[in-house]
Amino acid sequence: DTEVTQTPKHLVMGMTNKKSLKCEQHMGHRAMYWYKQKAKKPPELMFVYSYEKLSINESVPSRFSPECPNSSLLNLHLHALQPEDSALYLCASSQSSGGVTGELFFGEGSRLTVL
Amino acid sequence: GENVEQHPSTLSVQEGDSAVIKCTYSDSASNYFPWYKQELGKGPQLIIDIRSNVGEKKDQRIAVTLNKTAKHFSLHITETQPEDSAVYFCAATVPPTSGTYKYIFGTGTRLKVLA
Repeated sequence: DTEVTQTPKHLVMGMTNKKSLKCEQHMGHRAMYWYKQKAKKPPELMFVYSYEKLSINESVPSRFSPECPNSSLLNLHLHALQPEDSALYLCASSQSSGGVTGELFFGEGSRLTVL
Repeated sequence: GENVEQHPSTLSVQEGDSAVIKCTYSDSASNYFPWYKQELGKGPQLIIDIRSNVGEKKDQRIAVTLNKTAKHFSLHITETQPEDSAVYFCAATVPPTSGTYKYIFGTGTRLKVLA
């Protein structure tokens, strides 16, 4: 199983809503990532978890709250978002360990629209 | 921090011709350079990668070259086919200060293969 599964595929929410994006992988990867991608732009790193602990936060606004309940799951909690937060949110995982990095496996993304 | 530049931003080639995409990076400590293909509505997918101890790698119609001295690497696609049409991203990984590798993406190249 070499898949990263993201749900939902599409999400429309108002600025006062609270919603969550979910990501799951069963490849035994211990590094998991959230990226944000705007149209015609590269993926932009938001958060990285390593061994279920937050290791990188790229100065993301607090209206985005990540959570890693276990080694297979990664959530992104959304609250009080702005229309400019509308984007494709990509989850990824990698084997990265022992000082050697490997392939970053991406999910298909969750397309978020904030009204 | 690491910065990755990618050129060209768009590239149109006739079916059967070759396509070349170039990237430069700024951090001499970067040691892993993957290339991703992203089709419309999908997450990026790894197509080839190269590590800093190797100068060239080939996989069927796809090859990547790395010049560490000049800090640039290139993707070569030969005998292009319509299904090669997509957006291609290069990336460089920065060795961790926090235990987790960061993948920094180039700005992307939209490749169109004309039948």
